[in-house]
Amino acid sequence: GNSVTQMEGPVTLSEEAFLTINCTYTATGYPSLFWYVQYPGEGLQLLLKATKADDKGSNKGFEATYRKETTSFHLEKGSVQVSDSAVYFCALSERQGAQKLVFGQGTRLTINP
Amino acid sequence: DTAVSQTPKYLVTQMGNDKSIKCEQNLGHDTMYWYKQDSKKFLKIMFSYNNKELIINETVPNRFSPKSPDKAHLNLHINSLELGDSAVYFCASSQGGGRTDTQYFGPGTRLTVL
Repeated sequence: GNSVTQMEGPVTLSEEAFLTINCTYTATGYPSLFWYVQYPGEGLQLLLKATKADDKGSNKGFEATYRKETTSFHLEKGSVQVSDSAVYFCALSERQGAQKLVFGQGTRLTINP
Repeated sequence: DTAVSQTPKYLVTQMGNDKSIKCEQNLGHDTMYWYKQDSKKFLKIMFSYNNKELIINETVPNRFSPKSPDKAHLNLHINSLELGDSAVYFCASSQGGGRTDTQYFGPGTRLTVL
């Protein structure tokens, strides 16, 4: 079956550090790929997405590129802020007609001032 | 204006009880979902409805029954609650059911079964 694997957390960084959260996937067909973020006490919200190979999704300084050859969708940000502290989820969606998101296990990120 | 809302936010109950969680979306979306997030933050889809029709039904015990009175509402009823049902339940919606659609999540309902 389809699956998503994210790097183990928690991740703790200092403000203005460079961030990478690794995400790899296993899927048949051509999935869309997503990063969702969950701030403390809230529901998930879409951070960015890419729908085909070599697409780059970007939002709020975060970016990720859909790499079919390495089945990866790593999340990066050049300079993190305290407000980026949250849990980040990588997910894939393949099914047409009834979208089924398959999530990775989530990576908790803490940014210290 | 809250796009996807859930009630209640917290629910504490005894084993064996029956409870319901309500979800409403005001985005005009056709598709709604229920997810369960366990204590390790792992998220798994439970159900998906499109225009009041059940589309996805994952391997969920039949003690869980979703009900969609109209396309803006998707409620979750749970019978004979068990300790293992303790989790955060999220409702979500999307415009359609396409693989590129963005899902919009509610704030979650934390269910604690004692």
